Amino acid sequence: GGIITQTPKFLIGQEGQKLTLKCQQNFNHDTMYWYRQDSGKGLRLIYYSITENDLQKGDLSEGYDASREKKSSFSLTVTSAQKNEMAVFLCASSHLGVSYEQYFGPGTRLTVL
Amino acid sequence: GEQVEQRPPHLSVREGDSAVITCTYTDPNSYYFFWYKQEPGASLQLLMKVFSSTEINEGQGFTVLLNKKDKRLSLNLTAAHPGDSAAYFCAVSANTGNYKYVFGAGTRLKVIA
Repeated sequence: GGIITQTPKFLIGQEGQKLTLKCQQNFNHDTMYWYRQDSGKGLRLIYYSITENDLQKGDLSEGYDASREKKSSFSLTVTSAQKNEMAVFLCASSHLGVSYEQYFGPGTRLTVL
Repeated sequence: GEQVEQRPPHLSVREGDSAVITCTYTDPNSYYFFWYKQEPGASLQLLMKVFSSTEINEGQGFTVLLNKKDKRLSLNLTAAHPGDSAAYFCAVSANTGNYKYVFGAGTRLKVIA
């Protein structure tokens, strides 16, 4: 078994501020993902990393940067926080390959004042 | 690219009734299918994964049907109980080498005691 840890659980920032969300997994998974979930909505892919030295943009990458520091960790930076991007950010990981399920972390709830 | 439509967006049933959630997809190369459950305030948990070579899968209190001809995936909760109240998401992946899922928008299920 394993676990995905996301820090912080709650993140409050000012409009225009640069904010960083962190994700760690101990599954030894190759692939990691960042999703945004707006209240009552589905998941939108922001960035993902297929293997340790890879970085791919998702459908919602504008306004975000990501960094795969090592195999077990994947960070997401909100480059200039906006009030309309208050949401829950979910990190996920999986083994390499499309047949594998993704495991999700508990999420970081972002509030922008 | 792949598009996934999930219906209905909201569903309310009485305890003991069945609840059916359906996803239709467009990419004939889609090969792997997943159902996730998200309880209020929690992250996503995998309910079941289905490969295109199988058509019926049974879990604890639910059945997943895959109709490849119609490109339709359904989740049938038999004899729903209040603990089934949650959001349910389908996800689809294809052998295209991009390692991405496409998620449905979700169904918010409420089971009334």
